[in-house]
Amino acid sequence: QKEVEQDPGPLSVPEGAIVSLNCTYSNSAFQYFMWYRQYSRKGPELLMYTYSSGNKEDGRFTAQVDKSSKYISLFIRDSQPSDSATYLCAMNDMRFGAGTRLTVKP
Amino acid sequence: SQTIHQWPATLVQPVGSPLSLECTVEGTSNPNLYWYRQAAGRGLQLLFYSVGIGQISSEVPQNLSASRPQDRQFILSSKKLLLSDSGFYLCAWSVTGEDGYTFGSGTRLTVV
Repeated sequence: QKEVEQDPGPLSVPEGAIVSLNCTYSNSAFQYFMWYRQYSRKGPELLMYTYSSGNKEDGRFTAQVDKSSKYISLFIRDSQPSDSATYLCAMNDMRFGAGTRLTVKP
Repeated sequence: SQTIHQWPATLVQPVGSPLSLECTVEGTSNPNLYWYRQAAGRGLQLLFYSVGIGQISSEVPQNLSASRPQDRQFILSSKKLLLSDSGFYLCAWSVTGEDGYTFGSGTRLTVV
């Protein structure tokens, strides 16, 4: 079993939709959880950072951590075409998910 | 402010040729430094990380090596490239490893 599992998609949604991106992990010792956004041919950029369980909101983005289920989510409200990118989850031991490719259609 | 520089942006090399990719960080001291590889349509694979000068940890056995000759310089090398070495190479840094990573702009390597 991989330490971090992420559905690679691709995921295509219409503009304005709510997007849900998810990762599962196997190591219960993980405490820090991150979401990165990567535009085509660019390096990933840190989008959201959470510690332990709970929710964190930043504008249209909400990161959610459920440590009991070893499950993390990123929600994007009112999605925009500019949100089209690959989204990667990461844990505090430098492991990344495979990334989910998201396309938001105008 | 902290910045990370990575070059070259693209590189085409023949099989069997050597490789040297350089990464430098500005505006911070004693950063943790990382090399990742991203194959087409795949996630990030951690190759090497370093917590200090001369300290290199390897995650994946391969024909690549890394060195950290200075505090803010991280170099990825190979003596003889293989076709399977093609990919997008990313350098990153962090302060503690638990505070998120800042990535460079990447080097797209094609081995022909």
